[in-house]
Amino acid sequence: KAGVTQTPRYLIKTRGQQVTLSCSPISGHRSVSWYQQTPGQGLQFLFEYFSETQRNKGNFPGRFSGRQFSNSRSEMNVSTLELGDSALYLCASRGQGQGAYEQYFGPGTRLTVT
Amino acid sequence: QKEVEQDPGPLSVPEGAIVSLNCTYSNSAFQYFMWYRQYSRKGPELLMYTYSSGNKEDGRFTAQVDKSSKYISLFIRDSQPSDSATYLCAMSANRGSTLGRLYFGRGTQLTVWP
Repeated sequence: KAGVTQTPRYLIKTRGQQVTLSCSPISGHRSVSWYQQTPGQGLQFLFEYFSETQRNKGNFPGRFSGRQFSNSRSEMNVSTLELGDSALYLCASRGQGQGAYEQYFGPGTRLTVT
Repeated sequence: QKEVEQDPGPLSVPEGAIVSLNCTYSNSAFQYFMWYRQYSRKGPELLMYTYSSGNKEDGRFTAQVDKSSKYISLFIRDSQPSDSATYLCAMSANRGSTLGRLYFGRGTQLTVWP
């Protein structure tokens, strides 16, 4: 079974621009979460989507948004980029039932804002 | 105070040593406890998860949870150079909509030298 995939893997953007990151979960998984990882703050939860609905949101400004499609693929958008948004953005998926307790991460998208 | 505290190390041990990694937490609602391993420039890889208090063993890895002390541990027996990575503890509450939100420790950087 293929793992969680994320595209692109690396991205360089300029302050003020916007960016869209994509995540494809493990086949059969309907829950997708996004996390931001920085050396200063570690891994922080952004939001989770399940069946195209956001079911939980972390403490990030409204510039960070996401959505999920009917095939469970998810996108995350960051508008008006700031230098502090430079980070590794990780997507994770989990299944249902007993599989709901195991969250699997993708390789991440490394975003650099200049 | 962060909800999850983890000594960042770094921790350096010789091959074959027993490694002990620990986290403490403050939120008594946490019921699920996970350990992830993250190699440099990769996404976190789920090693083990446990529910509530108790021990769980998987090969050279043993996870322990003491909810009364709000303390979790991961032991690695017969450590190998390939175990060199950052180890992250994570936990979540046992409530439907919040189950997918993981709270992470900052990670402990482990080096196992031959």
